[in-house]
Amino acid sequence: EPEVTQTPSHQVTQMGQEVILRCVPISNHLYFYWYRQILGQKVEFLVSFYNNEISEKSEIFDDQFSVERPDGSNFTLKIRSTKLEDSAMYFCASSDQGVGETQYFGPGTRLLVL
Amino acid sequence: RKEVEQDPGPFNVPEGATVAFNCTYSNSASQSFFWYRQDCRKEPKLLMSVYSSGNEDGRFTAQLNRASQYISLLIRDSKLSDSATYLCVVYAGNNRKLIWGLGTSLAVNP
Repeated sequence: EPEVTQTPSHQVTQMGQEVILRCVPISNHLYFYWYRQILGQKVEFLVSFYNNEISEKSEIFDDQFSVERPDGSNFTLKIRSTKLEDSAMYFCASSDQGVGETQYFGPGTRLLVL
Repeated sequence: RKEVEQDPGPFNVPEGATVAFNCTYSNSASQSFFWYRQDCRKEPKLLMSVYSSGNEDGRFTAQLNRASQYISLLIRDSKLSDSATYLCVVYAGNNRKLIWGLGTSLAVNP
């Protein structure tokens, strides 16, 4: 069964450093998403991406964040200058139809900012 | 009122019990509704979509009441493997994103 994959599974970084989180969505999907979940809190939408551009972003997704689909398979989330409060689990998801259809999640990257 | 609000947990039930989770949402323009399941420190996985007429999948039954802006999930004959957090998720076209509830934790005990 096709699945979304994410690398790395864990990332530890120093405050102020840049991190890139990588995702490979399901191959025939067209819509891609990033979410984050701070420990003990709810899943929060960050950004959705379709047709090589951002469709929607949340207030969390400020200038420190960017997304890219550098080739036909990868979808990346970059955090330019990490803060302590960026520590969270980051989930990538994809869907073959729009946002309101079933989204399939990757296993997540646990980011710890020290 | 929170965008998506769920029963506070945790629910502790014995194996074989029937358990019901409730969820309310604030956006009357909401169009799609889902229940996801999340195991500890894992990704959310779709349990079932919720349709207007209600739907059933084995031991799981989901119902939607648009007038009351209320969604429910019923689990019958609960198994140890049902222990997880159950997330209520709502999509409204006017904000173009999924809105997630905090989740309700279920522990099924032997």
